[in-house]
Amino acid sequence: DAGITQSPRYKITETGRQVTLMCHQTWSHSYMFWYRQDLGHGLRLIYYSAAADITDKGEVPDGYVVSRSKTENFPLTLESATRSQTSVYFCASKVGEYEQYFGPGTRLTVT
Amino acid sequence: KQEVTQIPAALSVPEGENLVLNCSFTDSAIYNLQWFRQDPGKGLTSLLLIQSSQREQTSGRLNASLDKSSGRSTLYIAASQPGDSATYLCAVTGFQKLVFGTGTRLLVSP
Repeated sequence: DAGITQSPRYKITETGRQVTLMCHQTWSHSYMFWYRQDLGHGLRLIYYSAAADITDKGEVPDGYVVSRSKTENFPLTLESATRSQTSVYFCASKVGEYEQYFGPGTRLTVT
Repeated sequence: KQEVTQIPAALSVPEGENLVLNCSFTDSAIYNLQWFRQDPGKGLTSLLLIQSSQREQTSGRLNASLDKSSGRSTLYIAASQPGDSATYLCAVTGFQKLVFGTGTRLLVSP
């Protein structure tokens, strides 16, 4: 299917566990992004990538790790999940200074 | 640091009304401004993108304007419908990154 997909869509994990959220896009967009959305904070940028093997921190990067070995994939890893990382996570992609397109989101609960 | 504010936070109107949503930003050095729609429990759908060199963009019943010098954008929705009920988010692009406002929650009643 064309577009941007995220998996899993829902995840429940325990404090201290490592969890990886997957993002895949079929457009070959150069830029990819990870955001988290929380009540009272809106959408905040966690990490972004301008191309394969190029990543940079956003506004709230602590506790997260990203990699981008292939243009189409941009996984986000929580190395040791905390309750404060309970959130809805959105992946997005774009090319140049054009529109960003968002995935459907992953709802993560850390117990 | 760029800050984006949306007013009002919530809006309730009867079907058929024309309405305006406001977005203001503190740093006028932007590449573009994008308006999104988000339905409850769903992802974001891009509505309109205005490049920094443009003054407005139109799509169907939607019209978005941009005034960089005053740090403002408006989204005009004509002849509102119940299906327009959603949260509307504006976001400005600085160097590669989007900064989002906290949104306006719109309810259009039949």
